Amino acid sequence: GAGVSQTPSNKVTEKGKYVELRCDPISGHTALYWYRQSLGQGPEFLIYFQGTGAADDSGLPNDRFFAVRPEGSVSTLKIQRTERGDSAVYLCASSSDAYYNSPLHFGNGTRLTVT
Amino acid sequence: SQQGEEDPQALSIQEGENATMNCSYKTSINNLQWYRQNSGRGLVHLILIRSNEREKHSGRLRVTLDTSKKSSSLLITASRAADTASYFCATGSNAGGTSYGKLTFGQGTILTVHP
Repeated sequence: GAGVSQTPSNKVTEKGKYVELRCDPISGHTALYWYRQSLGQGPEFLIYFQGTGAADDSGLPNDRFFAVRPEGSVSTLKIQRTERGDSAVYLCASSSDAYYNSPLHFGNGTRLTVT
Repeated sequence: SQQGEEDPQALSIQEGENATMNCSYKTSINNLQWYRQNSGRGLVHLILIRSNEREKHSGRLRVTLDTSKKSSSLLITASRAADTASYFCATGSNAGGTSYGKLTFGQGTILTVHP
């Protein structure tokens, strides 16, 4: 069916506010990934899920960042007390499984701007 | 942190010429993947090469992998203006304690193909 969908495509928020970024993976994909990409840089790993559980959250920069995937499909990345340094494009990707040979399918990202 | 480093950072060529991009990485890997990113879009998977493979082809793409040098190259033959994009290598590591699902990206090569 459709590819990975991310909403919103753009989000502008004030410093200190809370934001939620949503990701709809490809139907049937069990693995879901969040990456962050700053201008001119490659994607930086944040967290990935295998099913409902976070298999690896070692990339979350601090406890202001949290992600959930309660039913093993849609995922939400939550950022509390946003800071200007959080401004970046947040990319979501899914794959048919988390085995190391599975290519990732990316969404177009959410561009977050913290003013 | 970034695992791979692409070289060159930027490459400008004429249509019809070949483009070669290189990627170096630091830790042992299970596989290496190449992705393309058009401006303002998500990443698109191009090709995957496993650690026990040395060369792989897909259409106009040729990827080589030298695990002894911890390096890979992506060759695009007979380039077209539509190949203009950023190209990233990504590695799946088998370093101790690293989850299989995590892909670590390099900083990318910006390719410009002039018509």
